[in-house]
Amino acid sequence: DADVTQTPRNRITKTGKRIMLECSQTKGHDRMYWYRQDPGLGLRLIYYSFDVKDINKGEISDGYSVSRQAQAKFSLSLESAIPNQTALYFCATEDRSSYEQYFGPGTRLTVT
Amino acid sequence: RKEVEQDPGPFNVPEGATVAFNCTYSNSASQSFFWYRQDCRKEPKLLMSVYSSGNEDGRFTAQLNRASQYISLLIRDSKLSDSATYLCVVSTSGSARQLTFGSGTQLTVLP
Repeated sequence: DADVTQTPRNRITKTGKRIMLECSQTKGHDRMYWYRQDPGLGLRLIYYSFDVKDINKGEISDGYSVSRQAQAKFSLSLESAIPNQTALYFCATEDRSSYEQYFGPGTRLTVT
Repeated sequence: RKEVEQDPGPFNVPEGATVAFNCTYSNSASQSFFWYRQDCRKEPKLLMSVYSSGNEDGRFTAQLNRASQYISLLIRDSKLSDSATYLCVVSTSGSARQLTFGSGTQLTVLP
């Protein structure tokens, strides 16, 4: 089984809808991250969490919110989706000693 | 100027060739360095960490030059399966640390 899982894997939604992307991990890492990837722009950090009570904004947090429900779960919400949030979204965990990150398979989100 | 810049690519090389990727970073406080590999429409996967003394893993060699703020990845004896996008990743340390990803360099190894 994969160490980092994301649901859904693909989603098409309409402008203005609320949508939640979920991430679960079995690696036992405290640190979790949400990124988005757009063609030619690389990965950009949306939010990150170093433990259950810790939430931090990343480079592009506007229009997004997160919830760290447990060590193993970190959810990303789009409160009112807009078309420029169409992207590939990745969740990742991090080993705190090596800083190496482990990514989920991604969620391809399309906002029409 | 981008915080992490990579060769624009794409690189198209024949099987068996040696290919080198370069990456420069602007934050002199950067402490950790990595190369990730990303196959088309898949998640990035850690290829190797980059250490100050340089390190090698099979056909892959990574070098770090802190004075020039430069990282390199050398792939020897390229295989078809090496075709992917290679991401240079740089991290600061401490409580406010963040990873910054380069945009990636695309490699295609041709038969």
